[in-house]
Amino acid sequence: GENVEQHPSTLSVQEGDSAVIKCTYSDSASNYFPWYKQELGKRPQLIIDIRSNVGEKKDQRIAVTLNKTAKHFSLHITETQPEDSAVYFCAASLNQAGTALIFGKGTTLSVSS
Amino acid sequence: DTGVSQNPRHKITKRGQNVTFRCDPISEHNRLYWYRQTLGQGPEFLTYFQNEAQLEKSRLLSDRFSAERPKGSFSTLEIQRTEQGDSAMYLCASRPGTMNTGELFFGEGSRLTVL
Repeated sequence: GENVEQHPSTLSVQEGDSAVIKCTYSDSASNYFPWYKQELGKRPQLIIDIRSNVGEKKDQRIAVTLNKTAKHFSLHITETQPEDSAVYFCAASLNQAGTALIFGKGTTLSVSS
Repeated sequence: DTGVSQNPRHKITKRGQNVTFRCDPISEHNRLYWYRQTLGQGPEFLTYFQNEAQLEKSRLLSDRFSAERPKGSFSTLEIQRTEQGDSAMYLCASRPGTMNTGELFFGEGSRLTVL
């Protein structure tokens, strides 16, 4: 089955800096890679996703890149703000019926002002 | 639409007791997932339903765990003979059946504490 590794486990940055979180996956057949943000005591919520036919996707201050050959994908947050502080999870799956989304262990991002 | 609803939100039980959690997905979502999350970890997949059919179950899932979705709407997750290691947040998520939408919509979770 799919296995997703995520690094780093914790990341501290100053407000305005960029943050990068990296993930690797094991199943070369996986073709859907979302990122979820979970604030303390809240439910995980999707912030951005990418499919295997795309190498990069941007949405305002966040972007995701995918390298299918190397089986890794990354989340980039620019101009970080204190409200970006949360736990971020990457995930991977075959986006079709009967396939679960497998999550990484998470990265705790702290943005200090 | 009020989103994915889970209850109870908190459950404290003694080791050896049975517990049951309920999940009401978003009404038009035919896919429903159960995950378990412990402190400092990512959601761990437990099982998945499409309508009333249980299509996938984690190999890590003990025989003490059982899930149902009898009418393809709400789902229940039962844990029999609870153990302290079962203490966790149990998350339910749903998504539409269309292939173009991969987003999982999570509930607030049901926190289980086994004493």
